[in-house]
Amino acid sequence: NAGVTQTPKFRVLKTGQSMTLLCAQDMNHEYMYWYRQDPGMGLRLIHYSVGEGTTAKGEVPDGYNVSRLKKQNFLLGLESAAPSQTSVYFCASRGPGLGSFSEQFFGPGTRLTVL
Amino acid sequence: DQQVKQNSPSLSVQEGRISILNCDYTNSMFDYFLWYKKYPAEGPTFLISISSIKDKNEDGRFTVFLNKSAKHLSLHIVPSQPGDSAVYFCAASVRAQKLVFGQGTRLTINP
Repeated sequence: NAGVTQTPKFRVLKTGQSMTLLCAQDMNHEYMYWYRQDPGMGLRLIHYSVGEGTTAKGEVPDGYNVSRLKKQNFLLGLESAAPSQTSVYFCASRGPGLGSFSEQFFGPGTRLTVL
Repeated sequence: DQQVKQNSPSLSVQEGRISILNCDYTNSMFDYFLWYKKYPAEGPTFLISISSIKDKNEDGRFTVFLNKSAKHLSLHIVPSQPGDSAVYFCAASVRAQKLVFGQGTRLTINP
């Protein structure tokens, strides 16, 4: 199993450009998440999905859109990139249930720089 | 308003000694707490968790303590090893759906 994979690993954009980050998981997980990590701020939730075809806003959703057309994929889109979106983006997934099943599995991250 | 706080950005510990990482939270509705470990250029990996109905959970060298009255949890690593050098994040959730993370503490184990 590959677990959670993210594409691309690195990207440099100019202000105003658009791009899509792809997250894929092969664990048949229902829940998927997109986070951004900035220095001194930990991981902050951007958007999440509780199942195929559903999405919901997290803590910092402005400037981002998401889609979950297939259960195994969760896409994060930047319509018009801004320097404030320079960050490391992590995708995560988890299965259903409580207790130990609340563990989220993370991808390796995408480092995005917006000039 | 930061609901989960790790007030120590960094911690340095000698190999073989105990490492204690601390985390405070403000939301009394949190019912599950987790610790994640992160190496550079990798995603966070799950380390250990605790439910709000418990006050201690052990897994090998790692023990998490929860003090609900103080809204405080801590991670103890004993004995500390060089491979434990990483950034540690505490996280909390309500009914396991979404995680709220602290800012992280960089742990350095010195030989």
